[in-house]
Amino acid sequence: DAGITQSPRYKITETGRQVTLMCHQTWSHSYMFWYRQDLGHGLRLIYYSAAADITDKGEVPDGYVVSRSKTENFPLTLESATRSQTSVYFCASATRLAGYTFGSGTRLTVV
Amino acid sequence: DQQVKQNSPSLSVQEGRISILNCDYTNSMFDYFLWYKKYPAEGPTFLISISSIKDKNEDGRFTVFLNKSAKHLSLHIVPSQPGDSAVYFCAASAGNAGKSTFGDGTTLTVKP
Repeated sequence: DAGITQSPRYKITETGRQVTLMCHQTWSHSYMFWYRQDLGHGLRLIYYSAAADITDKGEVPDGYVVSRSKTENFPLTLESATRSQTSVYFCASATRLAGYTFGSGTRLTVV
Repeated sequence: DQQVKQNSPSLSVQEGRISILNCDYTNSMFDYFLWYKKYPAEGPTFLISISSIKDKNEDGRFTVFLNKSAKHLSLHIVPSQPGDSAVYFCAASAGNAGKSTFGDGTTLTVKP
């Protein structure tokens, strides 16, 4: 189906573990984004990508790594998870006029 | 410095009345503005947008007004329905960039 898919939907991991959140879009939108949503902070941009092999930091990039070898995929990796990274993570793809299309989110709990 | 601000964290409105959600921005380079709606446990979804060459855009019950001199936009929902209860995010972008800057959101509750 066309759209933007995030996986997993829910994840529990231990402090210090590496975890990767997956994001896949079917439209070939050039822009893709990772946000986290925490109470009282709205949507905070972690990383974004303007095209394949081009990535840039957002507001809160520390502790995260991204890659974009293919236009349709934009995985987010927590290299060594911390409790402060417990959050809901949203991936999105975008065009300027159509705006953002968000995935359904990944609820990550770090214990 | 937050470039897009939604100063009201929450708003409660009676069903059938008007809901007005406000958004202020500071970056004069912003020329395209969008509103998103978010239900719990779902990703935000695009609602309505406006270009800086316009001062109003209407789509059914939803109208967005833009006041460039005041760097202010508002979303009007008339009439409000209980199904409109959600978090509403204002966003702004500049030039041809696909990247937007988001406000923190306003939680709208429409009471039956």
